[in-house]
Amino acid sequence: DQQVKQNSPSLSVQEGRISILNCDYTNSMFDYFLWYKKYPAEGPTFLISISSIKDKNEDGRFTVFLNKSAKHLSLHIVPSQPGDSAVYFCAASEDGKLIFGQGTTLQVKP
Amino acid sequence: DAGVTQSPTHLIKTRGQQVTLRCSPKSGHDTVSWYQQALGQGPQFIFQYYEEEERQRGNFPDRFSGHQFPNYSSELNVNALLLGDSALYLCASSFTGWSNQPQHFGDGTRLSIL
Repeated sequence: DQQVKQNSPSLSVQEGRISILNCDYTNSMFDYFLWYKKYPAEGPTFLISISSIKDKNEDGRFTVFLNKSAKHLSLHIVPSQPGDSAVYFCAASEDGKLIFGQGTTLQVKP
Repeated sequence: DAGVTQSPTHLIKTRGQQVTLRCSPKSGHDTVSWYQQALGQGPQFIFQYYEEEERQRGNFPDRFSGHQFPNYSSELNVNALLLGDSALYLCASSFTGWSNQPQHFGDGTRLSIL
């Protein structure tokens, strides 16, 4: 029973356009959500996070939106760059442990 | 400022053997968590150590054990290795003093069981 789901295994966008990655969760007790980016042969790199008391957090080209009623969060990357091509994981925090989705592979085409 | 470091980077073992993986947390961090990532999956939580004690544990058998040292570094031990233990093992560190702080990951140890 997966508590955090990323239903799109892959996403392809053109350089300069917006990338939208989605994540759904089932446990309403989650109070902190994170996005990580992972390149091959490297560990996950922290990108951006959001507390459950907020509905939006922005950091440069990255914005995370949280819809608690729908138990849904999304990561927007604007504008997308070829260097953004990687696997993106969403994660939810439960008492300090992270529960991850399966990941979405983003390809940004030049 | 060194980030999270893990050793070794790669390891090959045979079924039934035992393995020890090591992790040094990011400077200023006092909590270490271990995750297992199978191919094509997201990382799965194994356990977390704080103040040299196991604070939380995921759904992993007792063959998986750990330790945290006074300098906050940590070890993950796996006994009686199975083929299914082949995976990337990730260590993450954080600072417990503040709530809602991100965990920072090392590059992992790739464990292959033959």
